[in-house]
Amino acid sequence: DQQVKQNSPSLSVQEGRISILNCDYTNSMFDYFLWYKKYPAEGPTFLISISSIKDKNEDGRFTVFLNKSAKHLSLHIVPSQPGDSAVYFCAGQTGYQKVTFGTGTKLQVIP
Amino acid sequence: DTGVSQDPRHKITKRGQNVTFRCDPISEHNRLYWYRQTLGQGPEFLTYFQNEAQLEKSRLLSDRFSAERPKGSFSTLEIQRTEQGDSAMYLCASSRGWGGGNNSYEQYVGPGTRLTVT
Repeated sequence: DQQVKQNSPSLSVQEGRISILNCDYTNSMFDYFLWYKKYPAEGPTFLISISSIKDKNEDGRFTVFLNKSAKHLSLHIVPSQPGDSAVYFCAGQTGYQKVTFGTGTKLQVIP
Repeated sequence: DTGVSQDPRHKITKRGQNVTFRCDPISEHNRLYWYRQTLGQGPEFLTYFQNEAQLEKSRLLSDRFSAERPKGSFSTLEIQRTEQGDSAMYLCASSRGWGGGNNSYEQYVGPGTRLTVT
């Protein structure tokens, strides 16, 4: 049962442009949504989160949007930089319990 | 550097051997989680602790797997009689948990232990 889905396995974006990573979920019980960034041979690094009662959260170049009616969230990176090239995982969390991760989207930012 | 540390970073073992991994969470975090990640997949939940109490175990955690957090600080994950299917990256995460203030649900993940069973 794939509760968190990232349907785009990869994405290429030019440096300086906007990167938009999408995520869909099926579990209505998620209280929080999180995005993680992962470089090869490293563990996922926490990036940004949003509560289910909000529709937007911004942190520097990173903004997460939540559309609860569509059960969809997205991560916007503006402007994209080559160092942003990594695998991005979307995740949902109920309370303080386990995190349920998606399968990841590999972002490549082209200089 | 997330502050969560794991040891060892890499482990190669022969099928049938036992292995033990250690996780040291961020010091003020009372929740500790174990996940497993295989190639091309997102991390999958194994188990988690609130202080020293193990609150939930995944169906992925067979009888060959055991996790402990004896003093509510570091945790160990042991796999007995390893199988080739156990080859994966084992990730540990921690969070401040309930009562920990704003955003205390956020989990910070360690660098992982990569297990290869030959």
